[in-house]
Amino acid sequence: GQQLNQSPQSMFIQEGEDVSMNCTSSSIFNTWLWYKQDPGEGPVLLIALYKAGELTSNGRLTAQFGITRKDSFLNISASIPSDVGIYFCAGQETSGSRLTFGEGTQLTVNP
Amino acid sequence: DAGVIQSPRHEVTEMGQEVTLRCKPISGHNSLFWYRQTMMRGLELLIYFNNNVPIDDSGMPEDRFSAKMPNASFSTLKIQPSEPRDSAVYFCASSFAENRGYTFGSGTRLTVV
Repeated sequence: GQQLNQSPQSMFIQEGEDVSMNCTSSSIFNTWLWYKQDPGEGPVLLIALYKAGELTSNGRLTAQFGITRKDSFLNISASIPSDVGIYFCAGQETSGSRLTFGEGTQLTVNP
Repeated sequence: DAGVIQSPRHEVTEMGQEVTLRCKPISGHNSLFWYRQTMMRGLELLIYFNNNVPIDDSGMPEDRFSAKMPNASFSTLKIQPSEPRDSAVYFCASSFAENRGYTFGSGTRLTVV
């Protein structure tokens, strides 16, 4: 089946630092999504990407849809304590197929 | 919109008991998904519905699990009989179309003792 590798598994950073995480897939995706999960809550959609090469920002967050369509990355600039949580990438191979989620990146931000 | 509503938020039950988890999707969404999240296996898709019809239930662990969607505004996930290894957080999510981002509920934390 579809494989999504997300890295790193966890990150421990100081407040103010920039963060980068990425996902790679074993096959081509048509859609990439990035979610954040706060403790005790469900994942919340942060950014959606629908075209290869697309670069999209949402505040301090920036995500890109890789040119090969097999990868995507998420950057967080100037991290703050409320950025703490688990970040998931998710991809979709074709229109109408279900999403495949990565394993998640646990982010800890030290004040 | 109130978002995807799940109930209960927490459930503690004894092994062997029947457990029913409930979900109300966002009005107008036509796809509904049930996920299970554990530390070991992350987010696992159990089953999803499109226009109230089950499309793929290959993620349902075994016959003890069943899901229904009697109408566009309600779905249930039932475990009978429950076992300790079923302990996890169960999420319901809905979307307008399968190829758009899902909106997740807050989840039901199930503990089977």
